[in-house]
Amino acid sequence: DQQVKQNSPSLSVQEGRISILNCDYTNSMFDYFLWYKKYPAEGPTFLISISSIKDKNEDGRFTVFLNKSAKHLSLHIVPSQPGDSAVYFCAAPATYRGSQGNLIFGKGTKLSVKP
Amino acid sequence: NAGVTQTPKFQVLKTGQSMTLQCAQDMNHNSMYWYRQDPGMGLRLIYYSASEGTTDKGEVPNGYNVSRLNKREFSLRLESAAPSQTSVYFCASSPTRNQPQHFGDGTRLSIL
Repeated sequence: DQQVKQNSPSLSVQEGRISILNCDYTNSMFDYFLWYKKYPAEGPTFLISISSIKDKNEDGRFTVFLNKSAKHLSLHIVPSQPGDSAVYFCAAPATYRGSQGNLIFGKGTKLSVKP
Repeated sequence: NAGVTQTPKFQVLKTGQSMTLQCAQDMNHNSMYWYRQDPGMGLRLIYYSASEGTTDKGEVPNGYNVSRLNKREFSLRLESAAPSQTSVYFCASSPTRNQPQHFGDGTRLSIL
């Protein structure tokens, strides 16, 4: 079973506060995770990734945390800005034979950052 | 920097019509992909091409065919469109399969 789950369809945050987007996965063999950001009428753009050998990766205002024992990762945005309002997708490369490397996406979380 | 270019951006078809969605990338990437995105769903892989000359089925290939015309171009064909194929279609590419993918801006396809 290779699933990536984003259980919160939406999140609303005040500008300047922290946004925390969550993602759970079912397969402990996933070795790499990615976050994508998508604005309306545009394609997804790669935001940040993390290898399973790490528990944290930081890039400016964006930090991804990985908890392998809980099969959970989260994306933190600090401070949140109105321009961060978008849909965020969590993804992981499949590990089953013949599909290695093909990305499995969560359903996305729509973040709204209010001024 | 064009990146991944998809044409057309919008299309309306009648049931039973055929259509080819075009995708081209200028990043010299080896791998290319076609996804569909439906409301409330993540992106689902239709077909992919790990390298020039190869194509393989993804999660939802039924009703579609693909052609990897050369390293730059990867087209998706609907032979007989059905209303269930109404969706937003995204093409993507990556240097190799285990690296972040770059996406086009999508083709919004409606089938009546």
